[in-house]
Amino acid sequence: EDQVTQSPEALRLQEGESSSLNCSYTVSGLRGLFWYRQDPGKGPEFLFTLYSAGEEKEKERLKATLTKKESFLHITAPKPEDSATYLCAVQGLAGNTGKLIFGQGTTLQVKP
Amino acid sequence: EAGVTQFPSHSVIEKGQTVTLRCDPISGHDNLYWYRRVMGKEIKFLLHFVKESKQDESGMPNNRFLAERTGGTYSTLKVQPAELEDSGVYFCASSQGLGQPQHFGDGTRLSIL
Repeated sequence: EDQVTQSPEALRLQEGESSSLNCSYTVSGLRGLFWYRQDPGKGPEFLFTLYSAGEEKEKERLKATLTKKESFLHITAPKPEDSATYLCAVQGLAGNTGKLIFGQGTTLQVKP
Repeated sequence: EAGVTQFPSHSVIEKGQTVTLRCDPISGHDNLYWYRRVMGKEIKFLLHFVKESKQDESGMPNNRFLAERTGGTYSTLKVQPAELEDSGVYFCASSQGLGQPQHFGDGTRLSIL
């Protein structure tokens, strides 16, 4: 069964303190792995798509990497405005469906 | 470019009543998806439309849920009759194709009393 597990569930950082969020996945053929950011009361906001092991994507203070079993979201010198829940989701190749399987998310709090 | 819009943003109804949620996808996106998040759980897939056709409805919980996408534009999700366990946030998303990013609306928060 396809599955996504994110860790840690919650993370508190001081402004400027870099860290990484983990997304472990099991899927029978990966079409794509997606990272989203979600603010309270809002829908998930797309950040990155990764398609194959070894791929990396960057945007401002965020960098996403992918291996065959997991993905990391590295946050460099975070600011308070980076506080949000970060969601990881995978889409498999089976069944020609766009179904995303989500993890439970990591809630990040960055203190000034 | 307008994003995915959902209506209403909140709905409070009593058990046994009917509720209809609406989703307007990004213009030109043939693929439309419904998801929901119930309290304390992860976001879960409900179904996937390609234009007006149901590509995958494997996540629909039971036959009290009916999704339609008339003309391949906007979509509605009807719950009839609503049960307590249907409470949660219902999200709609759209994309240009498989493997492409899905863009989400802000959801409809549904409360069944």
